[in-house]
Amino acid sequence: KQEVTQIPAALSVPEGENLVLNCSFTDSAIYNLQWFRQDPGKGLTSLLLIQSSQREQTSGRLNASLDKSSGRSTLYIAASQPGDSATYLCAVRGYRGSTLGRLYFGRGTQLTVWP
Amino acid sequence: NAGVTQTPKFQVLKTGQSMTLQCAQDMNHNSMYWYRQDPGMGLRLIYYSASEGTTDKGEVPNGYNVSRLNKREFSLRLESAAPSQTSVYFCASSTGGRTEAFFGQGTRLTVV
Repeated sequence: KQEVTQIPAALSVPEGENLVLNCSFTDSAIYNLQWFRQDPGKGLTSLLLIQSSQREQTSGRLNASLDKSSGRSTLYIAASQPGDSATYLCAVRGYRGSTLGRLYFGRGTQLTVWP
Repeated sequence: NAGVTQTPKFQVLKTGQSMTLQCAQDMNHNSMYWYRQDPGMGLRLIYYSASEGTTDKGEVPNGYNVSRLNKREFSLRLESAAPSQTSVYFCASSTGGRTEAFFGQGTRLTVV
C-alpha cells in the first residue's frame, strides 16, 4: 500500500526566506507526483505536476524536484511572502496493481509566513 | 470555466438521514474521485471511478455508495448518516494517469 509522508507538519518563517517542504512515498511505481496548495476552508489548488520520468518542474518562485528511485520530492519556495501561507499537500498517482490510477496524499505541511 | 462543481457546499444532517452529494466536471475527464478530509488524517479516498460505468472502493468506503451517472457526473450517497461521517468531502477529476487532478471546492457535512 502506498504511504505518503510530509515533513515538517508545520513551518513558520519570516518573509523573504527560502524554504523547502519534503514529501516521501513508499512505492516508487507512480505515474506522477502533484503538489497542491490549500487555503483554510477552501479546496485544493494544483501547483505543480511532475511526471515519473522528470526530475523537476518550475513555476514562478516554486520549484519541485522528484527522485522516484528514493521515493522523495521537495518543494522549494523562493523569497517567501505572507500570501504563501497555506497548507501544502503532495500526492502521488499509482502506476500498478491496486494503486493504479489512484491519488495518495500526505497529511500536508502548514506554512505560515509572517511579515 | 467551471471545472469541478460540488453541491451542496454545506449540509447538516441528523443521524440516520440520507443524502446525496453531487459532483460534475466539464473537462471531459475519464477519472473521478471522492475523498474525505478530517483534521490530522489528511485526504482519504472513499471511491474512485476510472471511467464511465466503473467504480472501485478506496480506503474508507463503508457507509457510502456511489454512482457514475455519465462521464460528467459522480455522486456520493450516504444511506444512513452517522456522526463519524462529519467531514469535508472533496470530488476530483483527471483525464488519466499522466495528467493533473482538479478538485472541487468541497462539501462541509455535519451529522448531529
